[in-house]
Amino acid sequence: EVQLVESGGGLVQPGGSLRLSCAASGFTVSSNYMSWVRQAPGKGLEWVSVIYSGGSTYYADSVKGRFTISRDNSKNTLYLQMNSLRAEDTAVYYCARVVPAFDIWGQGTMVTVSS
Amino acid sequence: DIVMTQSPDSLAVSLGERATINCKSSQSVLYSSNNKNYLAWYQQKPGQPPKLLIYWASTRESGVPDRFSGSGSGTDFTLTISSLQAEDVAVYYCQQYYSTPPGYTFGQGTKLEIK
Repeated sequence: EVQLVESGGGLVQPGGSLRLSCAASGFTVSSNYMSWVRQAPGKGLEWVSVIYSGGSTYYADSVKGRFTISRDNSKNTLYLQMNSLRAEDTAVYYCARVVPAFDIWGQGTMVTVSS
Repeated sequence: DIVMTQSPDSLAVSLGERATINCKSSQSVLYSSNNKNYLAWYQQKPGQPPKLLIYWASTRESGVPDRFSGSGSGTDFTLTISSLQAEDVAVYYCQQYYSTPPGYTFGQGTKLEIK
């Protein structure tokens, strides 16, 4: 079965760091474009970052310089390293496969930035 | 950046009636070399991740009921539900995947309810 499972969310203080993971099954992460999308409570969808199969990475302006997308091919897992977190980063974070529409989504992991 | 604007923000339709949601992009998402519109539609029900309904503006994702259809080209697009069912209550988002470097911007969402 093709699926994505996120983990790593939680409560973190402003200025702190967190690393999200997205484990894939049924397909190979490194052969696909993969992305992170977030959704603040009660709000719409915001694209965060993408990593191409060739390794190129791109970020939304709101997270550029603070977030890093990466993958571990041996673990078939996508990551999002989030540093210098702010209250406005509070959201459910989804990973998704990009084909180039986003056809497979994980269930999401909640990140709360608060003191 | 390409801005996606949906209308209306919310919509109430009677069961069995037609529902129409519009999406306008701030610049064309039609790629002239392949004559494809880089536009997708998603459905999101409460507590669930988004689900891909339509890609390339009018291609239905596998398993999506044929009452869902997408149309339009260039900057103006429409998602139509031909005969509303109770299970179609959700928020619907359009998304462009045309931008280079990628932006993958979403519309603000349209909340669809039963009248």
